[in-house]
Amino acid sequence: GESVGLHLPTLSVQEGDNSIINCAYSNSASDYFIWYKQESGKGPQFIIDIRSNMDKRQGQRVTVLLNKTVKHLSLQIAATQPGDSAVYFCAENTGTASKLTFGTGTRLQVTL
Amino acid sequence: DGGITQSPKYLFRKEGQNVTLSCEQNLNHDAMYWYRQDPGQGLRLIYYSQIVNDFQKGDIAEGYSVSREKKESFPLTVTSAQKNPTAFYLCASSHLDRGVHEQYFGPGTRLTVT
Repeated sequence: GESVGLHLPTLSVQEGDNSIINCAYSNSASDYFIWYKQESGKGPQFIIDIRSNMDKRQGQRVTVLLNKTVKHLSLQIAATQPGDSAVYFCAENTGTASKLTFGTGTRLQVTL
Repeated sequence: DGGITQSPKYLFRKEGQNVTLSCEQNLNHDAMYWYRQDPGQGLRLIYYSQIVNDFQKGDIAEGYSVSREKKESFPLTVTSAQKNPTAFYLCASSHLDRGVHEQYFGPGTRLTVT
């Protein structure tokens, strides 16, 4: 299998529980944030995004919260399923066209 | 069927050889990007291009080269000057509209150099 994420922080969650994945970003001037999901051996997939003029945005089973005061972003997954097992990355746009800066990622493991 | 394709999925090369990774998109995106991914790290930007015949270095451009002769294509060459070329390489593309920053990723190419 892929060796991506061998040393990543890991969050273990029981199936059906809610998951919260956290991310600290670096640039107070960032005005756009995005969460990606990456399954083993695949490219990242878009989950949800949020602009800096918002503090919360909801999607299907996912919610992103943005706290600009402490430069913190979180992804909440409701009723976590085995298919949610993956590595999750946050990324920020610091104003250079569509250039994104990625965090190191968190591995989510869903136990049955 | 729109999307980004990368080929091949797995690539093996001997040390000292240059190798070119393919990336094609039919999403009509202006911008394209190359990232490198190593275990325990996030995605690191190698090169990006916002328009044909123009590209900029990312954070780890040393030992790599790119070209953007067509809007749809952004090949990456890993040269023999790259000290640790073994990695998972990801290509992405995006619009350049103001405020739209989502990048769409290809499936990746795993390069192993021995």
